[in-house]
Amino acid sequence: ETGVTQSPTHLIKTRGQQVTLRCSSQSGHNTVSWYQQALGQGPQFIFQYYREEENGRGNFPPRFSGLQFPNYSSELNVNALELDDSALYLCASSLAGTGKGYTFGSGTRLTVV
Amino acid sequence: AQRVTQPEKLLSVFKGAPVELKCNYSYSGSPELFWYVQYSRQRLQLLLRHISRESIKGFTADLNKGETSFHLKKPFAQEEDSAMYYCALRRTNAGKSTFGDGTTLTVKP
Repeated sequence: ETGVTQSPTHLIKTRGQQVTLRCSSQSGHNTVSWYQQALGQGPQFIFQYYREEENGRGNFPPRFSGLQFPNYSSELNVNALELDDSALYLCASSLAGTGKGYTFGSGTRLTVV
Repeated sequence: AQRVTQPEKLLSVFKGAPVELKCNYSYSGSPELFWYVQYSRQRLQLLLRHISRESIKGFTADLNKGETSFHLKKPFAQEEDSAMYYCALRRTNAGKSTFGDGTTLTVKP
Protein backbone atom coordinates (compact mmCIF):
# COMPACT_ATOMS: atom_id res chain seq x y z
CA GLU A 1 0.00 0.00 0.00
CA THR A 2 1.58 3.26 -1.09
CA GLY A 3 1.08 6.42 0.91
CA VAL A 4 0.40 9.96 -0.22
CA THR A 5 3.21 11.52 -2.22
CA GLN A 6 3.58 15.26 -2.80
CA SER A 7 5.93 17.11 -5.08
CA PRO A 8 7.94 19.22 -4.92
CA THR A 9 8.94 19.26 -1.27
CA HIS A 10 10.12 22.86 -1.36
CA LEU A 11 9.51 25.71 -3.75
CA ILE A 12 10.44 29.38 -3.95
CA LYS A 13 8.39 31.66 -6.21
CA THR A 14 8.19 35.36 -6.87
CA ARG A 15 5.08 37.39 -6.12
CA GLY A 16 2.74 37.38 -9.12
CA GLN A 17 3.93 34.05 -10.46
CA GLN A 18 1.88 30.87 -10.75
CA VAL A 19 2.59 27.53 -9.10
CA THR A 20 1.39 23.94 -9.47
CA LEU A 21 1.67 21.44 -6.65
CA ARG A 22 1.14 17.73 -7.19
CA CYS A 23 -0.24 14.90 -5.10
CA SER A 24 -0.56 11.16 -5.60
CA SER A 25 -3.21 9.70 -3.35
CA GLN A 26 -2.92 6.54 -1.32
CA SER A 27 -3.75 3.38 -3.21
CA GLY A 28 -7.47 2.64 -2.88
CA HIS A 29 -8.44 6.20 -1.93
CA ASN A 30 -10.77 8.16 -4.20
CA THR A 31 -10.89 11.57 -2.52
CA VAL A 32 -8.20 14.21 -2.27
CA SER A 33 -8.29 17.26 -0.02
CA TRP A 34 -5.88 20.17 0.03
CA TYR A 35 -4.97 22.17 3.09
CA GLN A 36 -2.87 25.26 3.74
CA GLN A 37 -0.95 25.39 6.98
CA ALA A 38 0.62 28.64 8.09
CA LEU A 39 3.24 28.65 10.82
CA GLY A 40 1.75 28.05 14.25
CA GLN A 41 -1.71 27.27 12.92
CA GLY A 42 -3.71 24.19 12.12
CA PRO A 43 -4.38 23.12 8.54
CA GLN A 44 -6.97 25.25 6.73
CA PHE A 45 -9.25 23.54 4.21
CA ILE A 46 -8.80 24.74 0.63
CA PHE A 47 -10.94 22.28 -1.32
CA GLN A 48 -11.68 18.63 -1.90
CA TYR A 49 -11.94 16.57 -5.07
CA TYR A 50 -14.04 13.46 -5.56
CA ARG A 51 -14.57 11.72 -8.88
CA GLU A 52 -12.62 14.47 -10.64
CA GLU A 53 -14.95 17.22 -9.43
CA GLU A 54 -14.60 19.83 -6.71
CA ASN A 55 -16.67 18.64 -3.77
CA GLY A 56 -16.39 21.38 -1.20
CA ARG A 57 -14.35 24.54 -0.90
CA GLY A 58 -13.03 26.58 1.95
CA ASN A 59 -12.60 30.32 2.22
CA PHE A 60 -9.97 30.72 -0.49
CA PRO A 61 -10.13 33.00 -3.54
CA PRO A 62 -10.66 31.67 -7.08
CA ARG A 63 -6.97 31.99 -7.89
CA PHE A 64 -6.66 28.74 -5.93
CA SER A 65 -7.84 25.99 -8.25
CA GLY A 66 -7.35 22.29 -8.62
CA LEU A 67 -7.77 19.16 -10.65
CA GLN A 68 -8.24 15.50 -9.96
CA PHE A 69 -7.28 12.92 -12.53
CA PRO A 70 -8.84 9.50 -13.29
CA ASN A 71 -6.13 7.81 -11.21
CA TYR A 72 -7.21 10.04 -8.26
CA SER A 73 -4.01 12.04 -8.25
CA SER A 74 -4.48 15.77 -7.95
CA GLU A 75 -2.98 19.19 -8.60
CA LEU A 76 -3.29 22.45 -6.74
CA ASN A 77 -2.75 25.58 -8.81
CA VAL A 78 -2.27 29.03 -7.39
CA ASN A 79 -2.21 32.06 -9.69
CA ALA A 80 -0.95 35.56 -8.98
CA LEU A 81 0.99 34.49 -5.92
CA GLU A 82 0.98 36.78 -2.92
CA LEU A 83 3.43 36.91 -0.03
CA ASP A 84 0.73 35.55 2.30
CA ASP A 85 0.52 32.39 0.21
CA SER A 86 3.78 31.31 1.80
CA ALA A 87 2.87 28.21 3.78
CA LEU A 88 2.98 24.44 3.95
CA TYR A 89 0.49 22.88 1.54
CA LEU A 90 -0.80 19.51 2.59
CA CYS A 91 -2.54 16.93 0.48
CA ALA A 92 -4.71 14.33 2.20
CA SER A 93 -6.45 11.37 0.64
CA SER A 94 -9.34 9.33 1.96
CA LEU A 95 -11.98 6.83 0.89
CA ALA A 96 -15.37 8.48 0.70
CA GLY A 97 -18.19 7.09 2.83
CA THR A 98 -16.02 5.02 5.16
CA GLY A 99 -15.92 7.36 8.14
CA LYS A 100 -12.16 6.99 8.25
CA GLY A 101 -9.76 9.88 8.53
CA TYR A 102 -7.16 11.26 6.20
CA THR A 103 -3.82 9.96 5.09
CA PHE A 104 -1.55 12.96 4.70
CA GLY A 105 1.38 13.67 2.47
CA SER A 106 4.48 15.30 3.86
CA GLY A 107 3.59 18.61 2.27
CA THR A 108 5.09 21.19 -0.05
CA ARG A 109 6.73 24.20 1.56
CA LEU A 110 6.00 27.21 -0.64
CA THR A 111 7.87 30.46 -0.10
CA VAL A 112 6.77 33.54 -2.02
CA VAL A 113 9.32 36.35 -2.18
CA ALA B 1 -20.13 26.98 10.96
CA GLN B 2 -17.64 24.44 12.26
CA ARG B 3 -15.07 25.47 14.80
CA VAL B 4 -12.46 23.56 16.81
CA THR B 5 -10.65 25.06 19.78
CA GLN B 6 -7.60 23.63 21.46
CA PRO B 7 -7.08 25.98 24.39
CA GLU B 8 -3.52 24.93 25.20
CA LYS B 9 -0.76 25.70 22.72
CA LEU B 10 1.82 24.02 24.92
CA LEU B 11 1.49 21.24 27.48
CA SER B 12 4.32 19.77 29.49
CA VAL B 13 4.14 16.76 31.80
CA PHE B 14 6.58 14.37 33.39
CA LYS B 15 6.94 10.79 32.23
CA GLY B 16 4.40 8.57 33.97
CA ALA B 17 2.01 11.40 34.73
CA PRO B 18 -1.51 11.51 33.30
CA VAL B 19 -2.08 13.79 30.35
CA GLU B 20 -5.20 15.37 28.91
CA LEU B 21 -5.23 17.43 25.73
CA LYS B 22 -8.37 19.49 25.46
CA CYS B 23 -10.53 19.91 22.41
CA ASN B 24 -13.81 21.81 22.22
CA TYR B 25 -15.92 22.17 19.14
CA SER B 26 -18.92 24.03 17.86
CA TYR B 27 -21.17 22.45 15.29
CA SER B 28 -24.93 22.16 15.21
CA GLY B 29 -25.16 18.79 13.47
CA SER B 30 -23.76 15.34 14.09
CA PRO B 31 -19.96 15.55 13.87
CA GLU B 32 -17.17 13.10 13.38
CA LEU B 33 -14.20 13.86 15.61
CA PHE B 34 -10.58 12.89 15.08
CA TRP B 35 -7.21 13.30 16.73
CA TYR B 36 -4.15 13.61 14.49
CA VAL B 37 -0.55 13.55 15.68
CA GLN B 38 2.66 14.83 14.17
CA TYR B 39 5.92 13.50 15.60
CA SER B 40 9.15 15.36 14.99
CA ARG B 41 10.17 15.27 11.32
CA GLN B 42 7.21 13.06 10.41
CA ARG B 43 4.01 13.75 8.55
CA LEU B 44 0.65 14.33 10.13
CA GLN B 45 -1.07 11.01 10.86
CA LEU B 46 -4.38 9.85 12.23
CA LEU B 47 -4.24 8.83 15.89
CA LEU B 48 -7.84 7.93 16.60
CA ARG B 49 -11.47 8.70 15.71
CA HIS B 50 -14.47 8.82 17.96
CA ILE B 51 -16.52 6.42 15.85
CA SER B 52 -14.22 3.49 16.52
CA ARG B 53 -13.99 4.10 20.29
CA GLU B 54 -10.53 2.60 20.22
CA SER B 55 -7.41 3.05 22.30
CA ILE B 56 -4.30 3.80 20.31
CA LYS B 57 -0.86 3.92 21.94
CA GLY B 58 -2.67 4.12 25.27
CA PHE B 59 -4.66 7.21 24.24
CA THR B 60 -8.43 7.41 24.43
CA ALA B 61 -10.91 10.15 23.64
CA ASP B 62 -14.58 10.34 24.47
CA LEU B 63 -17.03 12.48 22.56
CA ASN B 64 -19.11 14.50 25.01
CA LYS B 65 -21.94 16.04 23.01
CA GLY B 66 -23.33 17.87 26.02
CA GLU B 67 -20.08 19.71 26.62
CA THR B 68 -19.11 19.63 22.92
CA SER B 69 -15.70 18.26 23.81
CA PHE B 70 -13.42 15.51 22.60
CA HIS B 71 -10.50 15.52 25.02
CA LEU B 72 -7.56 13.18 24.45
CA LYS B 73 -6.32 11.31 27.51
CA LYS B 74 -3.55 8.97 28.52
CA PRO B 75 -3.09 7.72 32.08
CA PHE B 76 0.72 7.42 31.96
CA ALA B 77 2.58 9.62 29.49
CA GLN B 78 5.76 8.38 27.80
CA GLU B 79 8.61 10.42 26.35
CA GLU B 80 7.76 9.12 22.87
CA ASP B 81 4.34 10.79 23.16
CA SER B 82 6.04 14.17 22.71
CA ALA B 83 4.52 15.57 19.53
CA MET B 84 2.05 18.06 18.10
CA TYR B 85 -1.57 16.98 18.45
CA TYR B 86 -4.45 18.29 16.35
CA CYS B 87 -8.13 17.82 16.97
CA ALA B 88 -10.35 17.82 13.87
CA LEU B 89 -14.08 17.84 13.17
CA ARG B 90 -15.85 16.64 10.05
CA ARG B 91 -19.52 16.66 9.17
CA THR B 92 -20.77 13.11 8.88
CA ASN B 93 -19.89 11.71 5.45
CA ALA B 94 -18.78 15.11 4.22
CA GLY B 95 -15.37 16.12 3.06
CA LYS B 96 -14.20 19.20 4.85
CA SER B 97 -12.42 18.72 8.15
CA THR B 98 -11.85 21.66 10.44
CA PHE B 99 -8.67 21.52 12.49
CA GLY B 100 -7.72 23.19 15.72
CA ASP B 101 -4.43 25.04 15.98
CA GLY B 102 -2.78 22.16 17.79
CA THR B 103 -1.19 21.45 21.16
CA THR B 104 2.51 20.71 21.51
CA LEU B 105 2.94 18.02 24.13
CA THR B 106 6.31 17.62 25.80
CA VAL B 107 6.86 14.68 28.09
CA LYS B 108 9.88 15.25 30.32
CA PRO B 109 11.98 12.40 31.68
